[in-house]
Amino acid sequence: DSGVTQTPKHLITATGQRVTLRCSPRSGDLSVYWYQQSLDQGLQFLIQYYNGEERAKGNILERFSAQQFPDLHSELNLSSLELGDSALYFCASSSFDGAPTDTQYFGPGTRLTVL
Amino acid sequence: GESVGLHLPTLSVQEGDNSIINCAYSNSASDYFIWYKQESGKGPQFIIDIRSNMDKRQGQRVTVLLNKTVKHLSLQIAATQPGDSAVYFCAENTPLGNEKLTFGTGTRLTIIP
Repeated sequence: DSGVTQTPKHLITATGQRVTLRCSPRSGDLSVYWYQQSLDQGLQFLIQYYNGEERAKGNILERFSAQQFPDLHSELNLSSLELGDSALYFCASSSFDGAPTDTQYFGPGTRLTVL
Repeated sequence: GESVGLHLPTLSVQEGDNSIINCAYSNSASDYFIWYKQESGKGPQFIIDIRSNMDKRQGQRVTVLLNKTVKHLSLQIAATQPGDSAVYFCAENTPLGNEKLTFGTGTRLTIIP
């Protein structure tokens, strides 16, 4: 158990809908990262927050957004969902600002299925 | 863009044997590399890391080798066990990149009892 929690574990929805994925980092970690993993693909970095502020952005679609709250939990919002958005979404946390040796600990993921 | 890639998508190894998983990277500016293990239905789990100023690092039953000349990274797992069956990802950190970590597509390691 990495200490990172994600809810829900599974999510099934229809195209055009909007969903919110939630992540609670390890106790004391200030950074939260979101990743997307499609079938048989590697992890694609979406976005990072550090202590409530956006710190880095990867290949995140404009239909997607995220935020980190004062209690450091984070939410990833996915809107106008398309079939291709079906994937595993992982959250990871790390102690600080993502320095090279700042190990990221991953949550169990949320499996999103768009029908 | 530059990416991290893997030479073999699947690897089967007899239990008790050693396994080697390879990874090629193309960004010479990358200064830190990590191997993650992902078991079915779980999130990636940190295994071992190495900085670019090192060429070898050992952990418990695992060794990571870094060859900067040919931009090659490998993960050696000694005396493999059934629990080692998983997908293994290498990841690189590029200091000037927008992404914090760039992951390879993964190698599926299967341990044959």
